[in-house]
Amino acid sequence: EVQLVESGGGLVQPGGSLRLSCAASGFIFNTYAMYWVRQAPGKGLEYVSGISTNGLNRYYVNSVKGRFTISRDNSKNTLYLQMGSLRAEDMAIYYCARASGKYVDGNYPIDYWGQGTPVTVSS
Amino acid sequence: QTVVTQEPSFSVSPGGTVTLTCGLSSGSVSTSYHPSWYQQTPGQAPRTLIYSTNTRSSGVPDRFSGSILGNKAALTITGAQADDESDYYCVLYMGSGIWVFGGGTKLTVL
Repeated sequence: EVQLVESGGGLVQPGGSLRLSCAASGFIFNTYAMYWVRQAPGKGLEYVSGISTNGLNRYYVNSVKGRFTISRDNSKNTLYLQMGSLRAEDMAIYYCARASGKYVDGNYPIDYWGQGTPVTVSS
Repeated sequence: QTVVTQEPSFSVSPGGTVTLTCGLSSGSVSTSYHPSWYQQTPGQAPRTLIYSTNTRSSGVPDRFSGSILGNKAALTITGAQADDESDYYCVLYMGSGIWVFGGGTKLTVL
């Protein structure tokens, strides 16, 4: 059974940093691209970032470029999202999600989702 | 900036059929945008329903179907049930590793 378990969310001050983790199990992690998607309180889903199987190809929505870094450790079956210079508008539930294949492209959309970890940005 | 559009809300009677759509603020949706559809109930993570326009995800009943209707992607639910009452999101692939979600449709079954 595919399982994605996020952790690392919490309260952070504006301008602060936070690192989210996503522990994957039930599949061969290094053969799937991975995504982060977020959902602000009462709002819709927003694509944040994607990473290829080997971590060499990384993609970001414009609003987080230069502030967030996606990475993965295939030896630990874990996906990460390093978030910096956090703003109020970054406050959301952050979902880890698996692509249906090895690349970040249209042929490999999200097929499995984690339960999410909440990030609160407030002073 | 391209906006993905969805009806904010829709209602359907139990047993009825409803079609939700997913469009673009400029241009037409085609299969090359690889539309996918997700269902989300309050407080829960999203669930994948349809990907690559019309492929049902594992375990999704066949009363959910995806298509291209005119210049939009469409999700049709036939024989709506009470537990279909959810938020439905589409997502389109814009190229260069970027997906864009629509704003979601809140479906009421009554």
